[in-house]
Amino acid sequence: AQSVTQLDSQVPVFEEAPVELRCNYSSSVSVYLFWYVQYPNQGLQLLLKYLSGSTLVKGINGFEAEFNKSQTSFHLRKPSVHISDTAEYFCAVSDRGRNYQLIWGAGTKLIIKP
Amino acid sequence: GAGVSQSPSNKVTEKGKDVELRCDPISGHTALYWYRQSLGQGLEFLIYFQGNSAPDKSGLPSDRFSAERTGGSVSTLTIQRTQQEDSAVYLCASSLVGVPASSYEQYFGPGTRLTVT
Repeated sequence: AQSVTQLDSQVPVFEEAPVELRCNYSSSVSVYLFWYVQYPNQGLQLLLKYLSGSTLVKGINGFEAEFNKSQTSFHLRKPSVHISDTAEYFCAVSDRGRNYQLIWGAGTKLIIKP
Repeated sequence: GAGVSQSPSNKVTEKGKDVELRCDPISGHTALYWYRQSLGQGLEFLIYFQGNSAPDKSGLPSDRFSAERTGGSVSTLTIQRTQQEDSAVYLCASSLVGVPASSYEQYFGPGTRLTVT
């Protein structure tokens, strides 16, 4: 069965500093990968997705992620964070063998320090 | 157009009572998913609908949980004899399965926060 690991439960970072949120997945077959963001007391919003093609994927709000098949990773990055980026970020894999249901990581809380 | 909507946004119920949670997917989306987000378990899949049928119910935690979908649109998740461990945010998502590249993106509603006292 597929699984997703987000190595950090919390990442504190100063405003305007760069950030990387780590995600590793277990499957060795073709995967579709997603990052979702959940702002406080709000629903889940898609940040970006990797389906195929270029391994560097750009998303909303200046975020990008790089798909690395050999390392089975899909780390999320932003070169300069803003206080408004404070949220919880979830990495997910779409299970093609199970109706594309999403398998989720545990989430990483991004804490922006002023 | 309108996104996925869920009602109620918050529900507080007493242990042992039944609750119904509603999801209105994006119009035309054939696939509908229910997930649960709880402190101890994170985000977990509950059930998947394609049209009105549910080919995958494997995530439902017990027989107290059931769901239906009518007219290929609205879905209702019912929890009977609620327990405190049912307290969570219940999320609904819809997608357009079958259309390349669209099949993989799920659009989420705001969720229903269920508190069982």
